[in-house]
Amino acid sequence: ETGVTQTPRHLVMGMTNKKSLKCEQHLGHNAMYWYKQSAKKPLELMFVYSLEERVENNSVPSRFSPECPNSSHLFLHLHTLQPEDSALYLCASSPDPFNTEAFFGQGTRLTVV
Amino acid sequence: KNEVEQSPQNLTAQEGEFITINCSYSVGISALHWLQQHPGGGIVSLFMLSSGKKKHGRLIATINIQEKHSSLHITASHPRDSAVYICAVPQEGAQKLVFGQGTRLTINP
Repeated sequence: ETGVTQTPRHLVMGMTNKKSLKCEQHLGHNAMYWYKQSAKKPLELMFVYSLEERVENNSVPSRFSPECPNSSHLFLHLHTLQPEDSALYLCASSPDPFNTEAFFGQGTRLTVV
Repeated sequence: KNEVEQSPQNLTAQEGEFITINCSYSVGISALHWLQQHPGGGIVSLFMLSSGKKKHGRLIATINIQEKHSSLHITASHPRDSAVYICAVPQEGAQKLVFGQGTRLTINP
């Protein structure tokens, strides 16, 4: 248990669906991240939020839309995804962006059909 | 861009063996991270180190800044150590981490 909780753990969605991934941390961390892990590829950073402000958008398609309503919650809204978007989506948090150890959630295994 | 290379990509060993996983990077860094990813996908941060050596239980991480190289050692390995071990370093000039491909470790009883 790392203190970072992601829901759902598994998600199957059609290409026309709209769904959201949720991440929650009550560690008092100021930075939260979304990562994508595709099969046999390294982790890819998608978004970074620091104090609820997006500080990094790593050229992610607009069909992925992050939202950080407060420092404890982070969402990833999904809309009209493609099958190649199927992957493990990991949320992480850290006291400050990148300079300290990050705590990761268990991930959401997303399958787009 | 900071390139990160891990070796080996896959490692299978018997319970009790001493394990070493290596990580090399191309650009000078402020700190290096070692992460452990379990089969279910969850990731745990093991170490963040910028010099010398850190130890936590049976895990030891070392780094040589001059040689741009880090190693993760596991003593008295156990089947529950089976996981993917990932090295990550900051990308030069950017606030983001660059991840290695990971080393898949399997410890057989």
